[in-house]
Amino acid sequence: GAVVSQHPSRVICKSGTSVKIECRSLDFQATTMFWYRQFPKKSLMLMATSNEGSKATYEQGVEKDKFLINHASLTLSTLTVTSAHPEDSSFYICSALAGSSYEQYFGPGTRLTVT
Amino acid sequence: GEDVEQSLFLSVREGDSSVINCTYTDSSSTYLYWYKQEPGAGLQLLTYIFSNMDMKQDQRLTVLLNKKDKHLSLRIADTQTGDSAIYFCAESEKTSYDKVIFGPGTSLSVIP
Repeated sequence: GAVVSQHPSRVICKSGTSVKIECRSLDFQATTMFWYRQFPKKSLMLMATSNEGSKATYEQGVEKDKFLINHASLTLSTLTVTSAHPEDSSFYICSALAGSSYEQYFGPGTRLTVT
Repeated sequence: GEDVEQSLFLSVREGDSSVINCTYTDSSSTYLYWYKQEPGAGLQLLTYIFSNMDMKQDQRLTVLLNKKDKHLSLRIADTQTGDSAIYFCAESEKTSYDKVIFGPGTSLSVIP
């Protein structure tokens, strides 16, 4: 099946620094990628939809200047958490849509801890 | 807006059947999904059902859909300890099949 990887799997950073998380589709081209955030004991929340070659579409309440998304190629999307704060600590999961498939393929997630 | 609800916890004995329930509000949902998340891992699509279907069976998994009541369930037969995970119910909109709305997840604990 289709594989989506994320890097890094875990990252700890100091408050005020920026962190970049990569999401790659390894064996297929993904015209659309999604970024989710998972809060403890809560569901996944869609943060933004990322289309290759165009600006990401952010969900209501998500600060686009804080969570920078770049989808520069059909196999790579990046999420940069700028000026991270402890409240940004979370599990971030990306997913990718393969062509016209209804199915999203999820990455393993990245655990971000901001100290 | 769209909303998907699930009970948060379920505990069953190994070998018994597990039934995880979900309700949703969006009457225009086209696809309904069940995802499994093991500790520290991403999501794995277990199964899905189109909104024009009532039931779908896939090995130990049975999905039942009551579209009138907007109720979806996942039955896992002969539950094993390896089935312990969080199960997310999700639905996607008719007009944008790629935007998926997730429920809060049901944490399934299987007691040996």
